[in-house]
Amino acid sequence: ETGVTQTPRHLVMGMTNKKSLKCEQHLGHNAMYWYKQSAKKPLELMFVYSLEERVENNSVPSRFSPECPNSSHLFLHLHTLQPEDSALYLCASSQVQGATEAFFGQGTRLTVV
Amino acid sequence: AQKITQTQPGMFVQEKEAVTLDCTYDTSDQSYGLFWYKQPSSGEMIFLIYQGSYDEQNATEGRYSLNFQKARKSANLVISASQLGDSAMYFCAMREGANSGYSTLTFGKGTMLLVSP
Repeated sequence: ETGVTQTPRHLVMGMTNKKSLKCEQHLGHNAMYWYKQSAKKPLELMFVYSLEERVENNSVPSRFSPECPNSSHLFLHLHTLQPEDSALYLCASSQVQGATEAFFGQGTRLTVV
Repeated sequence: AQKITQTQPGMFVQEKEAVTLDCTYDTSDQSYGLFWYKQPSSGEMIFLIYQGSYDEQNATEGRYSLNFQKARKSANLVISASQLGDSAMYFCAMREGANSGYSTLTFGKGTMLLVSP
């Protein structure tokens, strides 16, 4: 079982749909992150949860809504997305203290049609 | 200004040869961390190596080593004895601040490495 698991791996949704991305980590970490990776752009940090509290929201549109019910699970709820939201969405986790690396999941490839 | 600059969009190397992927960074913090990740076509970001700003020795992890030149603000990744499975995108990333409580990373645009037989 991998350390950080994301589901689904691929998602195609219409602009009026509502869907959720799920992330689960089995590493005992207490910080979790959502990143967006668009074509030809660096990874962009979207949200950070530290000790289950949202600590960063990097000017992300409200059509993206994160949820962190516990330290092992992170969701990204999607509604009324735009085609430009099509991207690879990566979840990561890390320990809160120390300059430790973040461990990433395999991502969800989202296509908005 | 970009915080992480990777100037090589793509690199080609022959199997068993060494290759250096360039990374320069920009920060005013005294304490920071530098990371390299590998992203194969499957999408997962795989952590390779870490260098702390106060580490005096260059980091090494198996075939990976980080050539850290603090005065030049560069953190190049050296892969020795390339293998076909090394073909992937490689990202340099930086974490700023000391003990900021979590590990937000700023990434470069990446370098696509292709290893040929």
